[in-house]
Amino acid sequence: GAVVSQHPSWVICKSGTSVKIECRSLDFQATTMFWYRQFPKQSLMLMATSNEGSKATYEQGVEKDKFLINHASLTLSTLTVTSAHPEDSSFYICSAVGQASGRFDEQFFGPGTRLTVL
Amino acid sequence: GENVEQHPSTLSVQEGDSAVIKCTYSDSASNYFPWYKQELGKRPQLIIDIRSNVGEKKDQRIAVTLNKTAKHFSLHITETQPEDSAVYFCATRIYGGSQGNLIFGKGTKLSVKP
Repeated sequence: GAVVSQHPSWVICKSGTSVKIECRSLDFQATTMFWYRQFPKQSLMLMATSNEGSKATYEQGVEKDKFLINHASLTLSTLTVTSAHPEDSSFYICSAVGQASGRFDEQFFGPGTRLTVL
Repeated sequence: GENVEQHPSTLSVQEGDSAVIKCTYSDSASNYFPWYKQELGKRPQLIIDIRSNVGEKKDQRIAVTLNKTAKHFSLHITETQPEDSAVYFCATRIYGGSQGNLIFGKGTKLSVKP
């Protein structure tokens, strides 16, 4: 199956600092990547949709200036949490869509990044 | 926009029994319905999916049924095992193309007691 990696797997930072999370599709080209946020015991909430070479589309209520998304290539998307605060602490998961194993409709998820802001 | 309701939020069954999780959706344009299993701290894993032109799909102990008229779909797990314990999410895709994002239900925590 298709593999999506995320880096780092966990990060602890001080309030006010910025954190960058990378999402890579390792064995297929991802035309679209999605960024989700998951708080403890809750579902995955879509933050933004990222298409290679264009600006990300953010969901209502998600601040685009705070959560910067860059999708510079067909295998890499980055999410930067700027001026992080404790309420940004969460599990961030990316997923990728592309022609992997002949399927266009399946989303392949990364392993997630646990962000803790002190 | 699309709204996905999932029930129950928690489900406890005895090993060997069946488990059923139900989801309803609001957007009749939805055409792809996957189910994911997520263990604590890990990524969601696709366990089965169904497209809108099919009413039922089965894969060993797991099956999904879809009622497009009523806009609901269900996950059925038979002969449950302790390793089936996890949180299960249903989802729908709201766009007709392949790039549409998934809308997730709130999840069902399944506990299988030995």
